[in-house]
Amino acid sequence: GAVVSQHPSRVICKSGTSVKIECRSLDFQATTMFWYRQFPKKSLMLMATSNEGSKATYEQGVEKDKFLINHASLTLSTLTVTSAHPEDSSFYICSAARGAPEAFFGQGTRLTVV
Amino acid sequence: ILNVEQSPQSLHVQEGDSTNFTCSFPSSNFYALHWYRWETAKSPEALFVMTLNGDEKKKGRISATLNTKEGYSYLYIKGSQPEDSATYLCALWVGAQKLVFGQGTRLTINP
Repeated sequence: GAVVSQHPSRVICKSGTSVKIECRSLDFQATTMFWYRQFPKKSLMLMATSNEGSKATYEQGVEKDKFLINHASLTLSTLTVTSAHPEDSSFYICSAARGAPEAFFGQGTRLTVV
Repeated sequence: ILNVEQSPQSLHVQEGDSTNFTCSFPSSNFYALHWYRWETAKSPEALFVMTLNGDEKKKGRISATLNTKEGYSYLYIKGSQPEDSATYLCALWVGAQKLVFGQGTRLTINP
């Protein structure tokens, strides 16, 4: 049990377009989902924490209008990178919590903006 | 800003040798601590969840200890094997609502 599916695993998009990344908990209900970004040779940086049915809590320095997070159900959260630019190219990964302190990861999404 | 520090950042170990590395964190507002193993192109895999001061957990050749009063956890690997090569991440649950990661320790086992 405790499988988290993240899709797509890789995406290439043109500058100025928007990209949506999905994170699904397949066999449990996720009370909280986390979105992380990994910069080259760095650790996972927490971008935001989302709870089902409420607005996401963004970390300092993360633009909420740029990175839209929707947690519409207990099994699905989406991250939309709006008006993407090359500097948004990165590895994004989600984690779903089955009640603290258990959290399980998706496979990650490699975003390349050209 | 909450800092979860891992050391060393990278480590090369000869196959068969034992090794250990550290995760340091602020002891206030502690809720739980995770260790994950992250292999390239895979999802981070949960190794241990630790909540109590003095906790010791073991899974095969890997074990971990926790000291919440002084704010550190050690991960030990006994008799390293090539399949142990991965990045080991430590993550702190803060106030049961946020999961913050350290930079990771990249372990390479040399055959």
